[in-house]
Amino acid sequence: GDSVTQMEGPVTLSEEAFLTINCTYTATGYPSLFWYVQYPGEGLQLLLKATKADDKGSNKGFEATYRKETTSFHLEKGSVQVSDSAVYFCALSDDRGSTLGRLYFGRGTQLTVWP
Amino acid sequence: EAQVTQNPRYLITVTGKKLTVTCSQNMNHEYMSWYRQDPGLGLRQIYYSMNVEVTDKGDVPEGYKVSRKEKRNFPLILESPSPNQTSLYFCASSSQGGWTDTQYFGPGTRLTVL
Repeated sequence: GDSVTQMEGPVTLSEEAFLTINCTYTATGYPSLFWYVQYPGEGLQLLLKATKADDKGSNKGFEATYRKETTSFHLEKGSVQVSDSAVYFCALSDDRGSTLGRLYFGRGTQLTVWP
Repeated sequence: EAQVTQNPRYLITVTGKKLTVTCSQNMNHEYMSWYRQDPGLGLRQIYYSMNVEVTDKGDVPEGYKVSRKEKRNFPLILESPSPNQTSLYFCASSSQGGWTDTQYFGPGTRLTVL
């Protein structure tokens, strides 16, 4: 079945450090891949997405490339800020999944950035 | 402003006392769903709805009911809550539930069942 495995946290970085959060997936069909971010006390919001192989999603300095050959969608940012402290979720939605529209989430990675 | 709203945001109740968590969206979305978030488990889908009067089970439907009588509303009903339903609940919506659609999440409802 469909599933997402992402790097366990917590991740602690100093401001301006480079960030990578690994995400790999298993899917029946040709999924869309998402990164959602959850700031403290808030709901999830879309950070970026990619809907087909080799697509790169980007937003707010974050990037992730849909790699079908390695079934991966790693999140990267070149220089993190304190305001990036949040929980990051990798997710997929499968075009051939048994439940249309369902998002399969990883367990989340807590990122803390220190000044 | 396009948004998904949930009420209440926080709720403490006792075992067996029926409760309803409301969810409403103002984006004319056809697809709505409920997730629960538990530490170390990420988010798991409870129920979803493709349109009015069309609902189906997600991964963890036991102990929950839903209804979709209007397009904008998708309440979650716990008829006899138990402590293992203590969790953080999120409602989400998307335009048609397609696999490329962005889902929009509400702010969450933190439920504690004593």
